[in-house]
Amino acid sequence: AQSVTQLGSHVSVSEGALVLLRCNYSSSVPPYLFWYVQYPNQGLQLLLKYTSAATLVKGINGFEAEFKKSETSFHLTKPSAHMSDAAEYFCAVTKAAGNKLTFGGGTRVLVKP
Amino acid sequence: GAGVSQSPSNKVTEKGKDVELRCDPISGHTALYWYRQSLGQGLEFLIYFQGNSAPDKSGLPSDRFSAERTGGSVSTLTIQRTQQEDSAVYLCASSFDADSGNTIYFGEGSWLTVV
Repeated sequence: AQSVTQLGSHVSVSEGALVLLRCNYSSSVPPYLFWYVQYPNQGLQLLLKYTSAATLVKGINGFEAEFKKSETSFHLTKPSAHMSDAAEYFCAVTKAAGNKLTFGGGTRVLVKP
Repeated sequence: GAGVSQSPSNKVTEKGKDVELRCDPISGHTALYWYRQSLGQGLEFLIYFQGNSAPDKSGLPSDRFSAERTGGSVSTLTIQRTQQEDSAVYLCASSFDADSGNTIYFGEGSWLTVV
C-alpha cells in the first residue's frame, strides 16, 4: 500500500520568504510523485511531477521539488513567496501499475505582506 | 473543450434524492477518474475508467454510488438516496491513458450539498 504524509496542514510565510512544504511517502514500488495546487473554488492544477528522470524537478510558478529516495521525501520549495501563492497544496503518489493518485492531507499556505 | 468540464458546478439536493454529476474529459484522453474532496476526509479516489476495460470501482464508498462512461467519453456519477455525509466536492479528472506518471488533469468540480 502507498501513502503520503504532508507535515503541517497550515503554513504561514512572509512575502519574499522561502516556501517549504514537506511531503513524505511510503510505497512498496518505485513511485511517481506529484504536487498539485488548488486555488479557492477551483480544481487541482499540476505544479510538477517526478517520474524517475531527474531527482530535482522544476515546475510552474517558480516551484521545484527534490526526490530523495533515502528519506522517502519529495518536499516542495519556492525561493521567494508571492501573494498569489496563497492556496492549498497537495502531494500525491501513484504506484508503478495503474495511475490512481493517493493524496496527502494538503497544506494551506498563507502569504503575509 | 480545452479542459475537463463538469456540471453542475453546484447542486443542492434534499436528503434521499438521487443526483447525477456529469464529466466531459479532455478530448483524446482514454482514462477518466472520479475523486471526492470533503472536510475531514481529504481527497479520495472513487472510480476510474480506462478505455474499454472494466472500471476500477474500488474507491466507491457504498452501493449508492455508481458511475458509467458512455462511448468512451462522457461520464456520469450517480448517487442514489443521498445522505448528508455525501456533501462534498466531486472532482473529475482525465489523462491520456492510465500509464503511471501520465499527468492527470482535473476539472473544477461539482459542489454537492445535501440538506
